[in-house]
Amino acid sequence: DAGITQSPRYKITETGRQVTLMCHQTWSHSYMFWYRQDLGHGLRLIYYSAAADITDKGEVPDGYVVSRSKTENFPLTLESATRSQTSVYFCATLDSSYEQYFGPGTRLTVT
Amino acid sequence: AQSVTQLGSHVSVSEGALVLLRCNYSSSVPPYLFWYVQYPNQGLQLLLKYTSAATLVKGINGFEAEFKKSETSFHLTKPSAHMSDAAEYFCAVSDSRGSTLGRLYFGRGTQLTVWP
Repeated sequence: DAGITQSPRYKITETGRQVTLMCHQTWSHSYMFWYRQDLGHGLRLIYYSAAADITDKGEVPDGYVVSRSKTENFPLTLESATRSQTSVYFCATLDSSYEQYFGPGTRLTVT
Repeated sequence: AQSVTQLGSHVSVSEGALVLLRCNYSSSVPPYLFWYVQYPNQGLQLLLKYTSAATLVKGINGFEAEFKKSETSFHLTKPSAHMSDAAEYFCAVSDSRGSTLGRLYFGRGTQLTVWP
């Protein structure tokens, strides 16, 4: 089915471990985004990508790494997870009418 | 820099009553404005958007919003609340041009409760 998917949906990891969250879209939208959602903060942009091999930092990029070798995939890696990175992570794409489409989210707990 | 302020983190209304969720924005360039809704354990869904066409924008589920440049506001309204409207609502602003085109800046959200 067309759309945007995220995996895993739920993840529990330990402090210091590396974790990669996956995002896949079937629309071939150029722009993709990663947000984190925390109570009282709304959604904050971590990284975004305007096209394959083009990425840029958002509001809260520290501790995260992204790559985009293919248009349809935009993985987010926590190089050494910390408890402050416990959050719900959303991936999104942008269509030509400036509407962002959000994935279902990944709930990450760092213990 | 863009920013959004949503007045009231929680709003409660009775079923059938008017819903009014407030949003004020700050933008250095003409903005695009959005309202998203989030149901529990789900992603965000677009309710409506303003992208410099008509200032009164109609969205899904009977919601509408009016862009008021003089007040830098984009309040969301619905004449008659339904139980199914209970959710969290986010206002967001985006640049309409430049290298940051498409980036969204979100408010902190307003939780809407609808009482029977």
